[in-house]
Amino acid sequence: GAVVSQHPSRVICKSGTSVKIECRSLDFQATTMFWYRQFPKKSLMLMATSNEGSKATYEQGVEKDKFLINHASLTLSTLTVTSAHPEDSSFYICSARSGDRGNTGELFFGEGSRLTVL
Amino acid sequence: SQKIEQNSEALNIQEGKTATLTCNYTNYSPAYLQWYRQDPGRGPVFLLLIRENEKEKRKERLKVTFDTTLKQSLFHITASQPADSATYLCALGEAGTALIFGKGTTLSVSS
Repeated sequence: GAVVSQHPSRVICKSGTSVKIECRSLDFQATTMFWYRQFPKKSLMLMATSNEGSKATYEQGVEKDKFLINHASLTLSTLTVTSAHPEDSSFYICSARSGDRGNTGELFFGEGSRLTVL
Repeated sequence: SQKIEQNSEALNIQEGKTATLTCNYTNYSPAYLQWYRQDPGRGPVFLLLIRENEKEKRKERLKVTFDTTLKQSLFHITASQPADSATYLCALGEAGTALIFGKGTTLSVSS
């Protein structure tokens, strides 16, 4: 199956700093990637849809100036949490569809990034 | 309001039994429904997809049903094993939108 790699898997930062999380599709091209956030015992919450070569589409309630998304190539999307605060501590997961599976195909998820803001 | 509900947060069964997980939804018109497995601290892994015009799908020991009248999907694991212990997520897909996930049911299979 297709592989999505996410890095770093864990990051601890001080309040007020920025953190960048990378999401790469290793063996397929992904014109669209999705960023999710997950709290303990809660469902995956879609934050934004990242489109290669254009601006990301953010879900209602997600601050686009705080969660910067860049999809510079067909295999890489990045999420930058700017001026992080303790309430931003969460599990962030990216996902992508392989183009040949169409719009209803399964999502391939990265391993997730656990962010802890002190 | 729109809701996706997975019947229980936790389900405990004995090895060899069939596990049945439920996913109910309201105020959605999904074109398809997917089930994922998630292990602690890991990203979800796709298991099965079923479309609105399909009643049932099978894959090895897994079976999924989809009843658009009841607005419900059932996910069965037959001959369950301790290695099946994980959180199982259902996800709805409507035309032109991203997947929406339920909270998941954590299955524990004891030997």
